[in-house]
Amino acid sequence: GAVVSQHPSRVICKSGTSVKIECRSLDFQATTMFWYRQFPKKSLMLMATSNEGSKATYEQGVEKDKFLINHASLTLSTLTVTSAHPEDSSFYICSASGTVGYTFGSGTRLTVV
Amino acid sequence: QKEVEQNSGPLSVPEGAIASLNCTYSDRGSQSFFWYRQYSGKSPELIMFIYSNGDKEDGRFTAQLNKASQYVSLLIRDSQPSDSATYLCAFPGGSARQLTFGSGTQLTVLP
Repeated sequence: GAVVSQHPSRVICKSGTSVKIECRSLDFQATTMFWYRQFPKKSLMLMATSNEGSKATYEQGVEKDKFLINHASLTLSTLTVTSAHPEDSSFYICSASGTVGYTFGSGTRLTVV
Repeated sequence: QKEVEQNSGPLSVPEGAIASLNCTYSDRGSQSFFWYRQYSGKSPELIMFIYSNGDKEDGRFTAQLNKASQYVSLLIRDSQPSDSATYLCAFPGGSARQLTFGSGTQLTVLP
């Protein structure tokens, strides 16, 4: 079946540093990638939608300069959290959309200390 | 009004019982609905999707869709402790067909 590989699974970083999260579709082409954030005991909240080769579309209230999304190919999308702060600590999940429907990555637990 | 309302629970059922999870949605144009299961610290995994009115069964799971009343439900028969998780309903919408999730229902199946 369709697989999206997301790395890293866990990351701890110091406040003020940047963290990059990668999502790769292993056996299909992801025309669209969705990035979600999930706080403890909350549901998934869509942050942004990206299409290969074009700029990402950010949801209201999500800072595009803080959460940089690159979707340079049909198999790779990255989310970079720039100048991370403790309030950015969350579970980040990517989801690829292609001919196989929606496929989720395994998630990245980001802790900013 | 939220796009998807889901009974937040928590819901506890004894092992072997039927667990019933419900969602209502506001967009009458919604055509398909998804049920996901999410274990703590993990990403969601698809249980079922449904796009036609009526019931859709897959093993111990039955999804029910009523477009006139704008609700979708998930029944889990013969509930097992391993079914204990948060269940999320979702539907695609918007220009990119992005999934909008309900708030989730935490289910605990008691042995």
